[in-house]
Amino acid sequence: EVQLVESGGGLVQPGGSLRLSCAASGFTFSTYWMSWVRQAPGKGLEWVANIKYDGSEKYYVDSVKGRFTISRDNAKNSLYLQMNSLRAEDTAVYYCARRTPGAFGYWGQGTLVTVSS
Amino acid sequence: IVLTQSPGTLSLSPGERATLSCRASRSVSNSYLAWYQQKPGQAPRLLIYGASSRATDIPDRFSGSGSGTDFTLTISRLEPEDFAVYFCQQYGNSPWTFGQGTTVQIK
Repeated sequence: EVQLVESGGGLVQPGGSLRLSCAASGFTFSTYWMSWVRQAPGKGLEWVANIKYDGSEKYYVDSVKGRFTISRDNAKNSLYLQMNSLRAEDTAVYYCARRTPGAFGYWGQGTLVTVSS
Repeated sequence: IVLTQSPGTLSLSPGERATLSCRASRSVSNSYLAWYQQKPGQAPRLLIYGASSRATDIPDRFSGSGSGTDFTLTISRLEPEDFAVYFCQQYGNSPWTFGQGTTVQIK
């Protein structure tokens, strides 16, 4: 059974940093592109970042370029999102998702990031 | 690519047919268009990918159609568990984008 479990969310002040993690199991993690998708409270979905199965390619939505970094550790079956210079508009539930093959076939339960003073 | 979903809200009764629309601001490459269902407090669930292919374990009352800029999700006969929010998403052109969602509610 495919499982994706996010962690690392919480309350952070504007300008602060946070690192999200996603633990994957039930599939061969090293052979899949992975993504982060977020959803602001009561709002729609926004794709944030993609990473190739070997980490050699990374793509970001413009609003997070230069502030967020997606990475992975295939030996640990883990996906990460380093978020720096956080803004109020980054407040959202962040989902880890596996591409199957292009669409998001599997999702974690999400972790809430709140940026507020 | 901006995706515009209509209607914003659909009020129907169980057993009725639901037709949801997703219109793209320009052509979606290779019909790389997906549909998701989301219930309150839950992560989205993939229903349809490639505009018309059902994802694993999705009932055949869900069907997708369309190409280019116009896509449709049809639920042939609404079951009580189908009342939820539905999002379309294109993954043919970066940045990948989602529609704003259609709420299917009980009439």
